[in-house]
Amino acid sequence: EDKVVQSPLSLVVHEGDTVTLNCSYEVTNFRSLLWYKQEKKAPTFLFMLTSSGIEKKSGRLSSILDKKELFSILNITATQTGDSAVYLCAVALPYGGSQGNLIFGKGTKLSVKP
Amino acid sequence: ETGVTQSPTHLIKTRGQQVTLRCSSQSGHNTVSWYQQALGQGPQFIFQYYREEENGRGNFPPRFSGLQFPNYSSELNVNALELDDSALYLCASSPELPNYGYTFGSGTRLTVV
Repeated sequence: EDKVVQSPLSLVVHEGDTVTLNCSYEVTNFRSLLWYKQEKKAPTFLFMLTSSGIEKKSGRLSSILDKKELFSILNITATQTGDSAVYLCAVALPYGGSQGNLIFGKGTKLSVKP
Repeated sequence: ETGVTQSPTHLIKTRGQQVTLRCSSQSGHNTVSWYQQALGQGPQFIFQYYREEENGRGNFPPRFSGLQFPNYSSELNVNALELDDSALYLCASSPELPNYGYTFGSGTRLTVV
């Protein structure tokens, strides 16, 4: 069965620290990998990665995909208290299947202390 | 451009009851998916609707059913509620099928007592 595994499940850091969140996957029909930030309820889109080795950046956040080793990382530099959230990794599959379009990991809960 | 809106935001039901959750998709989006997110877990796929037809269903029993209307809004119905149905129910819409630019609503927090 396809699955997505995130680590660590929770992380506590202090403002200014740099963090790396991990996502590994075992998926037979990989299309792309997505990262979401979930603060209270609605997951908000961060990145979509399709090709290996190409880093995507948005401000202090960056992410890269390794399709050979089947993992992705999300980096956050100079963390701020506003970065506190659950970060979800999801793999996109072809539509119409029993697993839907997105298979999510359990998420990493990041807490940034002042 | 309006986002995805879900109603109600919170709901408390008794075991055995039935519930209907509603989702208005983002303007221009014709695909709606529903996810169940239990506490401390990632969202789990329930089913997806594309142009009013079910187009994929996850590992949920038949008492979970849905509808999509001509305006692409959607409903999730759950019959014979069980305690384990307590979760955050998320609706996500996208403009085309297949498409991964999903926009999520803020969800409905369902508590079954």
